[in-house]
Amino acid sequence: GIQVEQSPPDLILQEGANSTLRCNFSDSVNNLQWFHQNPWGQLINLFYIPSGTKQNGRLSATTVATERYSLLYISSSQTTDSGVYFCAVAGNRGSTLGRLYFGRGTQLTVWP
Amino acid sequence: DADVTQTPRNRITKTGKRIMLECSQTKGHDRMYWYRQDPGLGLRLIYYSFDVKDINKGEISDGYSVSRQAQAKFSLSLESAIPNQTALYFCATSVTTGSQSTEQFFGPGTRLTVL
Repeated sequence: GIQVEQSPPDLILQEGANSTLRCNFSDSVNNLQWFHQNPWGQLINLFYIPSGTKQNGRLSATTVATERYSLLYISSSQTTDSGVYFCAVAGNRGSTLGRLYFGRGTQLTVWP
Repeated sequence: DADVTQTPRNRITKTGKRIMLECSQTKGHDRMYWYRQDPGLGLRLIYYSFDVKDINKGEISDGYSVSRQAQAKFSLSLESAIPNQTALYFCATSVTTGSQSTEQFFGPGTRLTVL
């Protein structure tokens, strides 16, 4: 399989602060997704970003596939950003094709 | 209405009981997946299906079985539930586009407790 490492494991911020979450992966991929898991357990798709940069409001993501990492940026954080952020990748060959491998997540807590 | 639905949303059962979790989707996707999440961990793949006649084991298939009744329906069964199968279970779907792994979309999850 593909190993996915996320950092930091925990992050505590004051409302309004900016943050960067990192995802490293061990093999070449053709799918990378960022998810937000809210306190009710639901997984919300943030980005589908196998390569390049995307932005959606206060969130943006960059994937450098050749160097096997992705970054998720959260600007002007709000309390509703709290939850766990997961990175997941799928490989581009053999048994890894089409299967998502998840990291352990970053637990984000935003205080008012 | 939600594109990917799971039933039940919560279930408490006893060791040794047979349990079925159901997933339905209206997205028209051909690929469906079952994942499991344990506290403090990411999701792990149990089974996946790339079309109605295709079923494949994932990382942690022991103790589980699946049925793809139609393109839109994918069920997960625990033949004889045990306490370490207590977890949050997710169904997901995606669409086939050649060799590209496309975006997966997840259902709301089923919280299963085995006593």
